[in-house]
Amino acid sequence: NAGVMQNPRHLVRRRGQEARLRCSPMKGHSHVYWYRQLPEEGLKFMVYLQKENIIDESGMPKERFSAEFPKEGPSILRIQQVVRGDSAAYFCASSGGQDNEQFFGPGTRLTVL
Amino acid sequence: GEDVEQSLFLSVREGDSSVINCTYTDSSSTYLYWYKQEPGAGLQLLTYIFSNMDMKQDQRLTVLLNKKDKHLSLRIADTQTGDSAIYFCAESRGGNKLVFGAGTILRVKS
Repeated sequence: NAGVMQNPRHLVRRRGQEARLRCSPMKGHSHVYWYRQLPEEGLKFMVYLQKENIIDESGMPKERFSAEFPKEGPSILRIQQVVRGDSAAYFCASSGGQDNEQFFGPGTRLTVL
Repeated sequence: GEDVEQSLFLSVREGDSSVINCTYTDSSSTYLYWYKQEPGAGLQLLTYIFSNMDMKQDQRLTVLLNKKDKHLSLRIADTQTGDSAIYFCAESRGGNKLVFGAGTILRVKS
């Protein structure tokens, strides 16, 4: 039973490019959460999605960031026109329900040059 | 300041007990969690406690919760070098998001 999968594990982009981060939840999970971890900090909540719906995006920056969780396929976190300050580890977690335990993926480490 | 606060660093000798402390702010949090993160890796859930409990024990781990003071601690008995990692405390908010502390680096000296 595969856990939460994220790809790529490492992503390098130049300023102004787009970054696409993918997350496949655990089998049977329909709730996905994205968190960002800046260097030497804890994780900060970004967005909570269920299939085809954004439930809570209170942690998402207002511009350049978007997330989706389509009916088929992985959840995608998209960052347009990346800047150096976007360099961080982005973690995805999934759960089987709103109050259920969240299982974390290994993260995608984004470096913006 | 941080909603969830932790001390930054703890150093112990192998075989000793480690105690990592955390304070949180939201008295309505239903669950409080301890996660472990090893270098370059994701987060591993170690244990959690429901807010109506005072204590939870799971093998070498003991979690104590003082709800009045909003204080949570994680005790690791017989600490091993493999326990060296960053430990995050987190509280649940509204059932759907976790608020994390900045993490405590635990270093175990052999």
